[in-house]
Amino acid sequence: GQNIDQPTEMTATEGAIVQINCTYQTSGFNGLFWYQQHAGEAPTFLSYNVLDGLEEKGRFSSFLSRSKGYSYLLLKELQMKDSASYLCAVTDSNYQLIWGAGTKLIIKP
Amino acid sequence: ETGVTQTPRHLVMGMTNKKSLKCEQHLGHNAMYWYKQSAKKPLELMFVYSLEERVENNSVPSRFSPECPNSSHLFLHLHTLQPEDSALYLCASSIESGSSYNEQFFGPGTRLTVL
Repeated sequence: GQNIDQPTEMTATEGAIVQINCTYQTSGFNGLFWYQQHAGEAPTFLSYNVLDGLEEKGRFSSFLSRSKGYSYLLLKELQMKDSASYLCAVTDSNYQLIWGAGTKLIIKP
Repeated sequence: ETGVTQTPRHLVMGMTNKKSLKCEQHLGHNAMYWYKQSAKKPLELMFVYSLEERVENNSVPSRFSPECPNSSHLFLHLHTLQPEDSALYLCASSIESGSSYNEQFFGPGTRLTVL
């Protein structure tokens, strides 16, 4: 079966750095997405990786290792507004998005 | 209006009621999606429409009936639902379906409670 694993919940301190991991086992791979979802709101696109390596976008970076079936989302200089759920999703060989259950990130002052 | 809109935002219905969820996208996209989001579970893809044709139906019970009259509008008709159908129903759109880079734009969702 297809599976995406992420931690259920993480806690970090304002101003710090946090890394959210995602591992996947899918039938094929055509790219990996990270989305952010604030409570009661729509998921919004953060990043896309299809080649190995690090993609940096401001305070957020996303890393991919296809050989390991592994990605992480790195958030720097954490702000209270970063408290949200972070969803990992993989496009499989049929171009269908397979979603993880999301990681709830709690930021403490 | 911009992006993807959904109405109503909240819905409470009994098991014998019939109701409809509406989604509208103002992005000029060709693909639209219905998802079910339950607490601590992955997003469940329910239906995919591409250019108003249904291209995917992931074994969804017949008490959920989608309708896509044009590429900007998507409906989800509900009838004789069960309490376990209570969830957040999200609509999304993308430029096209069936591609590797398939960034989806989501609406705010309808929070459905079935009594």
